[in-house]
Amino acid sequence: AQSVTQLDSQVPVFEEAPVELRCNYSSSVSVYLFWYVQYPNQGLQLLLKYLSGSTLVKGINGFEAEFNKSQTSFHLRKPSVHISDTAEYFCAVTGGVLSGTYKYIFGTGTRLKVLA
Amino acid sequence: DAGITQSPRYKITETGRQVTLMCHQTWSHSYMFWYRQDLGHGLRLIYYSAAADITDKGEVPDGYVVSRSKTENFPLTLESATRSQTSVYFCASSGVLGADHNSPLHFGNGTRLTVT
Repeated sequence: AQSVTQLDSQVPVFEEAPVELRCNYSSSVSVYLFWYVQYPNQGLQLLLKYLSGSTLVKGINGFEAEFNKSQTSFHLRKPSVHISDTAEYFCAVTGGVLSGTYKYIFGTGTRLKVLA
Repeated sequence: DAGITQSPRYKITETGRQVTLMCHQTWSHSYMFWYRQDLGHGLRLIYYSAAADITDKGEVPDGYVVSRSKTENFPLTLESATRSQTSVYFCASSGVLGADHNSPLHFGNGTRLTVT
């Protein structure tokens, strides 16, 4: 079975400061990892994904994440946040169809609050 | 325009009534999913489907029924609604996902269901 843990339910940070949102996963098979962002009263949008290759992946809006297989982590980072980054962020994992586990499992989310 | 559409956007129903949430996608994606989003729980998978006439239970399937007679539609039915099913429901779809494919999860805008 797969699972995702987002340790921080809320992260307040001042504008232009760096931020890291933590995500740890558990899986017995190879995984694909994702970060999604949800703005108020909207659906979820893909921020970035790790499928294979380089462990450092870059996404939209200046976000990046690093896949660390030994620590089973996929932390999200941004060097300088803006007020507009205030949203809820979800980490997700799937094994993909080739592993027979194509369902996507999400973490409980981290609310990022950017302060002026 | 290609996309994934959920209807209705908002629904109020009474305890014990049957209600169906609709989901339609135009990408011809094989995989479709239903999630519910609740504060403190993130997104929890209710049911998913790999193709027409193939469905599987997710993490929280009790009280829900799904069908998939056509690839593009994946309705979710609450047979006898309860207050605990008050939630925001998201439908999502995905194509084949693997190192050579690039079709992650796409979400609809959600249905906010209130059971009184």
